[in-house]
Amino acid sequence: DAKTTQPTSMDCAEGRAANLPCNHSTISGNEYVYWYRQIHSQGPQYIIHGLKNNETNEMASLIITEDRKSSTLILPHATLRDTAVYYCIAGHANQGGKLIFGQGTELSVKP
Amino acid sequence: DAGITQSPRHKVTETGTPVTLRCHQTENHRYMYWYRQDPGHGLRLIHYSYGVKDTDKGEVSDGYSVSRSKTEDFLLTLESATSSQTSVYFCAISESKRGLSINTGELFFGEGSRLTVL
Repeated sequence: DAKTTQPTSMDCAEGRAANLPCNHSTISGNEYVYWYRQIHSQGPQYIIHGLKNNETNEMASLIITEDRKSSTLILPHATLRDTAVYYCIAGHANQGGKLIFGQGTELSVKP
Repeated sequence: DAGITQSPRHKVTETGTPVTLRCHQTENHRYMYWYRQDPGHGLRLIHYSYGVKDTDKGEVSDGYSVSRSKTEDFLLTLESATSSQTSVYFCAISESKRGLSINTGELFFGEGSRLTVL
């Protein structure tokens, strides 16, 4: 599975958009980009995933560059409850879902 | 929320004792996983299962064994617990897409089991 690189931490003002970047320059053609988040002491929570096209759901938007070497998770209107560690993962959906979690980005949403 | 229950949620034990953690799901999902989470290491996959009696090793499987005799239960056993196995253990489940064997990669996690080995 491709390695991903994320900033260790980020701050965002409440009500503003949070843009979380992720580099995955060695991603292969059939690897998806997944985003999860983990609020302190809870189990990780699935947010969104995509292969090539941009994706949007009720939680967030995922923007994947055309060369697929990087992506951005966008939380359009961050709230205090979005404070969490966000994990970007590149993985094969058809290999038993063995997703390898890295260190993630610690997002702090401030009033 | 996915129906995943981990037990026990907290356990303190002594080095050398056997420990079994249980993950129970009510979703009838095919795939089940055990992860451990430690400061500085993030989440690491221990073992996973892709069906009843079908299991495989993850990144950090040494010292752990698993069993899945029913779709709903996935057991993680530490035969002889060591202090290095003090951790928070998370169970996760996922389903195949449209009835196919392709796993979507959308994992649903339990609330975790905190294990302390003295």
